[in-house]
Amino acid sequence: QITLKESGPTLVKPTQTLTLTCTVSGSSLSTRGRGLAWLRQPPGKALEWLALIYWNDDKRYSPSLKSRLTITQDTSKNQVVLTVTNIDPADTGTYYCAHTWWRQSAYNWFDPWGQGTLVTVSS
Amino acid sequence: SYVLTQSPSVSAAPGQTARITCGGNNIGSGSVHWYQQKPGQAPVLVVYDDSDRPSEIPERFSGSNSGNTATLTITRVEAGDEADYFCQVWHSSGDRWVFGGGTRLTVL
Repeated sequence: QITLKESGPTLVKPTQTLTLTCTVSGSSLSTRGRGLAWLRQPPGKALEWLALIYWNDDKRYSPSLKSRLTITQDTSKNQVVLTVTNIDPADTGTYYCAHTWWRQSAYNWFDPWGQGTLVTVSS
Repeated sequence: SYVLTQSPSVSAAPGQTARITCGGNNIGSGSVHWYQQKPGQAPVLVVYDDSDRPSEIPERFSGSNSGNTATLTITRVEAGDEADYFCQVWHSSGDRWVFGGGTRLTVL
């Protein structure tokens, strides 16, 4: 059974770059069809999808945030990394990584999710 | 941009049926997925592809999707079902996965 765990800073200053790591256990990121997504949730608000990377290094980004996001994977470490540049207080929230499978239709669902990591952006 | 509309709150007494809706333009033409999120916890998938359930999810959870509305139905509601529920779809023209604003289920 695949499990996910996010790690990264809890406090970031405005204009800095945020780097988050998702460590995958129980299965290999290289498995054909596998994908890892990053999502976030501001306090008391809805979920927002940010980025996704597939086993073959195909990457997708939220159009509204694309210029600020980079998603990469290190299959030797079974980790996926998300960087967010030019961080702003509006980026405060819980960041989750979640597993998905490739579907031609892109009607993906996300399961399971990591426990999440709360990131606060403040000077 | 594509908007999924959910009522902010729904309530049901134990043993009753709760229905949580997700509205979107022609949402019935695609697949809808539903997540349960309890306070302080990560979301958990409860229904995928409109009406399928992961094996660990009770049969009390079911879904439907037609026209402009998808519905998550929880029968025989229990206190442990109290949570926020989010719908999610793929928006092809926007090239992104989209979530509804969430519905808080309160068990009376």
